[in-house]
Amino acid sequence: DVKVTQSSRYLVKRTGEKVFLECVQDMDHENMFWYRQDPGLGLRLIYFSYDVKMKEKGDIPEGYSVSREKKERFSLILESASTNQTSMYLCASSLWGDTEAFFGQGTRLTVV
Amino acid sequence: GEDVEQSLFLSVREGDSSVINCTYTDSSSTYLYWYKQEPGAGLQLLTYIFSNMDMKQDQRLTVLLNKKDKHLSLRIADTQTGDSAIYFCAESSGNTGRRALTFGSGTRLQVQP
Repeated sequence: DVKVTQSSRYLVKRTGEKVFLECVQDMDHENMFWYRQDPGLGLRLIYFSYDVKMKEKGDIPEGYSVSREKKERFSLILESASTNQTSMYLCASSLWGDTEAFFGQGTRLTVV
Repeated sequence: GEDVEQSLFLSVREGDSSVINCTYTDSSSTYLYWYKQEPGAGLQLLTYIFSNMDMKQDQRLTVLLNKKDKHLSLRIADTQTGDSAIYFCAESSGNTGRRALTFGSGTRLQVQP
């Protein structure tokens, strides 16, 4: 079974802190994604990566950056956390962009 | 950008059929997906349909696709309390080779005993 693992289930950070959310997949997938999930808005794509060191902006990239130094790992970085970034963050991977995406359990981030 | 729309809430009684509807905009989508999210969990793939099909059945699940109207539906027969969850419709969109799934807002299905 494909496993996508996010490093934390719950995080509480202070406004202005630099925050790292880590995601690892074990199926040698080319594509990895970061979404945020907010009630009534569904999942919105922040960034995705289709290869090592390659990244593409999604629908809401402002305030975020990403890093993919190794194929299995995709990190989401909040350079200076703000309260409007309080959300559930979901990482996913897929073999290629059209195919089924496998999701991690999510990280619920609270910025105070 | 591409848009996927769903109603936010559906309530049914146990044993009834549930129908969750979705409209999408990207006519170049190869696959269309239904995902299920149980409380406190990530998303799990429930079923999918290839864009050249108009129906797919998988046990209690029936997916109908109307490409002309860009309308997708998920029917759950004999709905059980364990089916209570949020259901997301998704399409693949973007440039060739750099595609990602675009999700709807999710439909919360509540099954009453």
